Amino acid sequence: GAGVSQSPSNKVTEKGKDVELRCDPISGHTALYWYRQSLGQGLEFLIYFQGNSAPDKSGLPSDRFSAERTGGSVSTLTIQRTQQEDSAVYLCASSSNPTDTQYFGPGTRLTVL
Amino acid sequence: RKEVEQDPGPFNVPEGATVAFNCTYSNSASQSFFWYRQDCRKEPKLLMSVYSSGNEDGRFTAQLNRASQYISLLIRDSKLSDSATYLCVVNRGLNYGGSQGNLIFGKGTKLSVKP
Repeated sequence: GAGVSQSPSNKVTEKGKDVELRCDPISGHTALYWYRQSLGQGLEFLIYFQGNSAPDKSGLPSDRFSAERTGGSVSTLTIQRTQQEDSAVYLCASSSNPTDTQYFGPGTRLTVL
Repeated sequence: RKEVEQDPGPFNVPEGATVAFNCTYSNSASQSFFWYRQDCRKEPKLLMSVYSSGNEDGRFTAQLNRASQYISLLIRDSKLSDSATYLCVVNRGLNYGGSQGNLIFGKGTKLSVKP
């Protein structure tokens, strides 16, 4: 079946602009995660959605970052007023439940000039 | 103590070598354990789950030591294609209903297999 998809695959933007990243999880997966990975670094947790529960936003680095998940499926991660330090690969993952294997999308490589 | 700790490496080994990675975790209530593999500029992908009795998948063997709270991955007869970063992944325990989903990712151990 189809895996996790993300769009765009690459995004180049100017400092100060807003960007929106999209994630389509595996159908039926109730848990959805956003991570950020800078070059040569480990995964940095950003936000977690589980079913209809309130999302866990504890990993968002600043109030410029927000995410939503509509209808329990597609999720968008929005970064407002982008800064150069926001440049990274943004990875989305989904799982059938919080304790199960997470399946990752190919990521969106964001470059802020 | 960090929740999940791994030696970042790099481990540089010749083709055909046997190499082992260890990972320690801090939460004794953790019950699910995985090894993920991440190729350069790619997303992490599940390599194998780790079961209490240990398990093998071809050239790969995973072991769990609950008493000492560590997990190991053994790769036999290394191939060039095994070059990647190996991530140790641990869950926080079934009773954990809080943040960050329930899986914790280590920062990874880099393996480079040379001809």
